Amino acid sequence: DIQMTQSPSSLSASVGDRVTITCRASQSINNYLNWYQQKPGKAPKLLIYAASSLQSGVPSRFSGSGSGTDFTLTIYSLQPEDFATYYCQQTYSTPFTFGPGTKVDIK
Amino acid sequence: QVQLVQSGAEVKKPGASVKVSCKASGYTFTGYYMHWVRQAPGQGLEWMGWINPDSGATNYAHKFQGRVTMTRDTSISTAYMELSRLTSDDTAVYYCARDPVVAGTTHYFDYWGQGTLVTVSS
Repeated sequence: DIQMTQSPSSLSASVGDRVTITCRASQSINNYLNWYQQKPGKAPKLLIYAASSLQSGVPSRFSGSGSGTDFTLTIYSLQPEDFATYYCQQTYSTPFTFGPGTKVDIK
Repeated sequence: QVQLVQSGAEVKKPGASVKVSCKASGYTFTGYYMHWVRQAPGQGLEWMGWINPDSGATNYAHKFQGRVTMTRDTSISTAYMELSRLTSDDTAVYYCARDPVVAGTTHYFDYWGQGTLVTVSS
């Protein structure tokens, strides 16, 4: 199975900050990497697919990059509604594993 | 608009089985794969498998092979996930999620159900 790691596991940030979350795969997954946002008690929401494609309706302050084993989610100018947990997911091969998550909270 | 509406919370005893439904609307049910993902309390997301509603073909995570069965009823645009031989470790919220997979492109989950809490307790 492909193992996914994320760093940091949590971070505190202020509204307006730029936030960067890193995801690493245990082997190359080309660009088969997705990012989701989850708020407490809610289902995950797709933000980015195929490493860098912005899902329809998602604000442009979210951006994804990377290929191979190393990927980044950047939130430019953090907004109050962005405080949540973020998960990466590889869909290169089954089982489609998720990273452990990065919790973004208010500083 | 696309909607995935799941069945209600369940409480089961160890050793029992549970069957969760996911009713799709707002799109052509047979045109999109359906995945099942679970999340134990306070934990991360765990992929369980997918079903192709058109053909009925399935792909299960090996962790669940032999215990999980994913089916569908195209006449009512509903997918099902049945998990047997439940233990307390299966206590989790179970989600269905749509995948607009297109041949030659990546998988991703663009719409999710609201989740179904399954509690396993004696």
